[in-house]
Amino acid sequence: GENVEQHPSTLSVQEGDSAVIKCTYSDSASNYFPWYKQELGKRPQLIIDIRSNVGEKKDQRIAVTLNKTAKHFSLHITETQPEDSAVYFCAAVISGGYNKLIFGAGTRLAVHP
Amino acid sequence: EAQVTQNPRYLITVTGKKLTVTCSQNMNHEYMSWYRQDPGLGLRQIYYSMNVEVTDKGDVPEGYKVSRKEKRNFPLILESPSPNQTSLYFCASRGQWGQPQHFGDGTRLSIL
Repeated sequence: GENVEQHPSTLSVQEGDSAVIKCTYSDSASNYFPWYKQELGKRPQLIIDIRSNVGEKKDQRIAVTLNKTAKHFSLHITETQPEDSAVYFCAAVISGGYNKLIFGAGTRLAVHP
Repeated sequence: EAQVTQNPRYLITVTGKKLTVTCSQNMNHEYMSWYRQDPGLGLRQIYYSMNVEVTDKGDVPEGYKVSRKEKRNFPLILESPSPNQTSLYFCASRGQWGQPQHFGDGTRLSIL
């Protein structure tokens, strides 16, 4: 079936460094790719999303890039801060009548002061 | 305030005792969904609903039921819970296609 693979599963960086999380998807018709941040004990919250007609999108310290040919997209966090520590999930909408959202397994990011 | 509300937030119960987790949204969203979250597996969809009286199975529907009698409510029913249903559950809703899903605060279920 359709799936989304996410790497790495854990990522540890020093405060101020950049962090990159990568995802690949299998459905070539996918056209919407959100990223969610989940802090410990809390709900997933949307931090940025990108649609297939755009190659890159930025919002302050976070950016997402999309390569439709290779079927992969990435989250980039610059100047990381301790409050960026969380689990990050990528997702892709697969084609079909109800536009189902498939999630990656998540990346646990730890930012050390 | 736009929100998705789940209840209860925490529940410890025993095998076989029927339980219902409620979910309500105040955004007039047509689409609602239930996920379970387990370590290393991300969020997996249990059931979803496109509108009132329209529901369908997600990836892991076994052992669960849902209903959508009203637009705002989408309860998750475990008729005979088993220990492998111990998990963190999230309800979510979204508006039109391409809009982000809004998640509830989650319900942590422990089935002994």
